[in-house]
Amino acid sequence: AQSVTQLDSQVPVFEEAPVELRCNYSSSVSVYLFWYVQYPNQGLQLLLKYLSGSTLVKGINGFEAEFNKSQTSFHLRKPSVHISDTAEYFCAVSGGGTSYGKLTFGQGTILTVHP
Amino acid sequence: EAGVAQSPRYKIIEKRQSVAFWCNPISGHATLYWYQQILGQGPKLLIQFQNNGVVDDSQLPKDRFSAERLKGVDSTLKIQPAKLEDSAVYLCASSFLPPLAANNEQFFGPGTRLTVL
Repeated sequence: AQSVTQLDSQVPVFEEAPVELRCNYSSSVSVYLFWYVQYPNQGLQLLLKYLSGSTLVKGINGFEAEFNKSQTSFHLRKPSVHISDTAEYFCAVSGGGTSYGKLTFGQGTILTVHP
Repeated sequence: EAGVAQSPRYKIIEKRQSVAFWCNPISGHATLYWYQQILGQGPKLLIQFQNNGVVDDSQLPKDRFSAERLKGVDSTLKIQPAKLEDSAVYLCASSFLPPLAANNEQFFGPGTRLTVL
């Protein structure tokens, strides 16, 4: 079985400050990792994904994430946030075994950027 | 390219009533998913289709929920009868790759927000 834990339910930050949203996963097999963003009253949009290769993954809107296999983490970072980054962010894992091809989501982290 | 379409966007019903949601995936996407997102939680997969066949419905409460994708394109999710705990956002997603492709990217619709009173 696979699972995802997002360590912070809410993260407040001031505009132009750096931010890190933390995600830990659990899986007994190789995994693929994703970060999605959900703006109010909208569906989920893919920010970035890790499939293989370089552990540092760059996504849209200036976000990046680092896959750390030994710590089973996939934290999302942005060096300087904007007001428009205010949204809910979901980490998700897709792996092998009986979970092959299925996305399992974390509980979400609400990022609020203050002026 | 047009995204995943869902309707209605909002629905309010009384408990024990029936409700249906509609989804039209991105053209050419053979795989379609329905998720339930309860407030404060991440989306939970209810059912996934490849073309008009069900691949996985292990998380679907089959005593009250049903879904179909008769022509392998659009899909309908139904709840009959609804309970208070069914209040949630119902998200539809589609992907180009088959559901068992671990790295398939899913594209999500805007969702239908259901409130059961």
